[in-house]
Amino acid sequence: DSGVTQTPKHLITATGQRVTLRCSPRSGDLSVYWYQQSLDQGLQFLIQYYNGEERAKGNILERFSAQQFPDLHSELNLSSLELGDSALYFCASSGGQGGYEQYFGPGTRLTVT
Amino acid sequence: AQSVTQLGSHVSVSEGALVLLRCNYSSSVPPYLFWYVQYPNQGLQLLLKYTTGATLVKGINGFEAEFKKSETSFHLTKPSAHMSDAAEYFCAVWVAAGNKLTFGGGTRVLVKP
Repeated sequence: DSGVTQTPKHLITATGQRVTLRCSPRSGDLSVYWYQQSLDQGLQFLIQYYNGEERAKGNILERFSAQQFPDLHSELNLSSLELGDSALYFCASSGGQGGYEQYFGPGTRLTVT
Repeated sequence: AQSVTQLGSHVSVSEGALVLLRCNYSSSVPPYLFWYVQYPNQGLQLLLKYTTGATLVKGINGFEAEFKKSETSFHLTKPSAHMSDAAEYFCAVWVAAGNKLTFGGGTRVLVKP
């Protein structure tokens, strides 16, 4: 158990819909990262927040957005969903802004039908 | 920009045999290097990391990796494979300028009895 929690574990929704994925980092960790894992794209970095502020951006679509709240939990919002958005979404946390090992949550499996 | 190449998307080893997973990176500045393992339907777990100092790094579950700057490699080894080592393994690189963790494509390990 990494100490990072993610909810829900599974999510099935239809195209065009909007969903919110939630992540709670390890106690004391200030950085939260979001990743997307799919068979064709592999593991892709989406976005990082540090203590409530966006710190780094990866291959995140404009239809996706994230935020980190004062209690340090984070949410990833996915809107106008397409079939190709079906993937595993991981959250990870670390103690610093970068370069430190990241601890991954169990993931949320999103299926868009 | 940094990149990671893992040679071989699938590796099959016999129980008790040497496990060798290859990772080469591209970076213009000294990187931090990581190996993660992903068991089926789980998140990624940190096996080991290299930041600075000793180039031979020991991790959990009997794995170790050696950083070779001249070869830009960070290969993962385990002297004797166990059935429980069947999983997918990811090499990752982080550099300060990019401030993100870049993952290789992963290597799936099958252990034969």
